[in-house]
Amino acid sequence: DGGITQSPKYLFRKEGQNVTLSCEQNLNHDAMYWYRQDPGQGLRLIYYSQIVNDFQKGDIAEGYSVSREKKESFPLTVTSAQKNPTAFYLCASSIMWGLYGYTFGSGTRLTVV
Amino acid sequence: AQTVTQSQPEMSVQEAETVTLSCTYDTSESDYYLFWYKQPPSRQMILVIRQEAYKQQNATENRFSVNFQKAAKSFSLKISDSQLGDAAMYFCAYRRGAGNQFYFGTGTSLTVIP
Repeated sequence: DGGITQSPKYLFRKEGQNVTLSCEQNLNHDAMYWYRQDPGQGLRLIYYSQIVNDFQKGDIAEGYSVSREKKESFPLTVTSAQKNPTAFYLCASSIMWGLYGYTFGSGTRLTVV
Repeated sequence: AQTVTQSQPEMSVQEAETVTLSCTYDTSESDYYLFWYKQPPSRQMILVIRQEAYKQQNATENRFSVNFQKAAKSFSLKISDSQLGDAAMYFCAYRRGAGNQFYFGTGTSLTVIP
């Protein structure tokens, strides 16, 4: 079955550490996105990529980095510069730049300990 | 940035009844797309329904339908014959016609009472 796989489902990070969240899709979608979800704030865009080796910052990119070396993969690194990283992270992909909506992964819950 | 407002943080409905979730948005564009997403306890976002702004006809998907009022910038979701499986967080989202970013509302938590 085609879909988006995010791993791990739960991730714990010590303060000062970088962590990488994985996102893989086998839908042959060109565009991929990372969103952060906090209670009461909806979803906010971190980064997005429309083609391999190219990506753009979203509304809350500070403290995050991404890469897009393969069409199928769009990992997100939460760096130590991100002051409040505890949140739920959702990866999504789309055709036609989201004209027909996004397909989402099942998310990663990141907690700083 | 575009803004999408969901003014009802929580709603409840009796099983088999009908409920309407509200959404308003702010835009100066004439070409755009609107979506409703459902996020059940599993937290995976599922597309419920999609509306193209240039279409006057309201979108319908089985028990789900929208009331799209373009002049009022309103996009409400009606769920008919509510089922226990409809219990979830519902998000309204906006996408500019020429853009590639979605703007999400803060969500409405729907409880279905047996």
